[in-house]
Amino acid sequence: DQQVKQNSPSLSVQEGRISILNCDYTNSMFDYFLWYKKYPAEGPTFLISISSIKDKNEDGRFTVFLNKSAKHLSLHIVPSQPGDSAVYFCAARPNNNDMRFGAGTRLTVKP
Amino acid sequence: NAGVTQTPKFRILKIGQSMTLQCTQDMNHNYMYWYRQDPGMGLKLIYYSVGAGITDKGEVPNGYNVSRSTTEDFPLRLELAAPSQTSVYFCASTRGEGFGELFFGEGSRLTVL
Repeated sequence: DQQVKQNSPSLSVQEGRISILNCDYTNSMFDYFLWYKKYPAEGPTFLISISSIKDKNEDGRFTVFLNKSAKHLSLHIVPSQPGDSAVYFCAARPNNNDMRFGAGTRLTVKP
Repeated sequence: NAGVTQTPKFRILKIGQSMTLQCTQDMNHNYMYWYRQDPGMGLKLIYYSVGAGITDKGEVPNGYNVSRSTTEDFPLRLELAAPSQTSVYFCASTRGEGFGELFFGEGSRLTVL
């Protein structure tokens, strides 16, 4: 069962515009959410996280929004840059020793 | 600072062969994990360890074994390779209790023919 879903396999945006990546989850026990970025031939790297007690967390150009009632989170990148082109994974934690990942969304930022 | 190092980066196995994927971290992290990523899928947890001498199964442990004799090393063993184990394997670690930010290795691409 896929408890974390990223329904858009790919997204293309113009440089300078906003990128919005979406993630849905089904398990109401998830209490911590993370976004990872992955370049080809590299391991995923941590980008930003949010606890279930918050609805927004911001770090520079990256903002994560959490809507618990809708079981939905999103990552906003403003402004988007060509170097942001990568695969983005949403992840959620149901307890301290497990983490579930979405299938990823490939973001392409065009110059 | 090397972080999490995985070897080998690529390997082709024949059905029924055995091999070990090596993982070592130099950050003195207690928690270590093995994930696999199949095409179009998210990362699935195979095994994890919360400290030397302690290991536990994740979401997809069948066909794999692990050991954790030191804080630094967390090898993943495939005893009888099957085509279903063709995947990219990632080792990760984290410093604190439970999950926070995971530090990943570069991955090991395994093909079983």
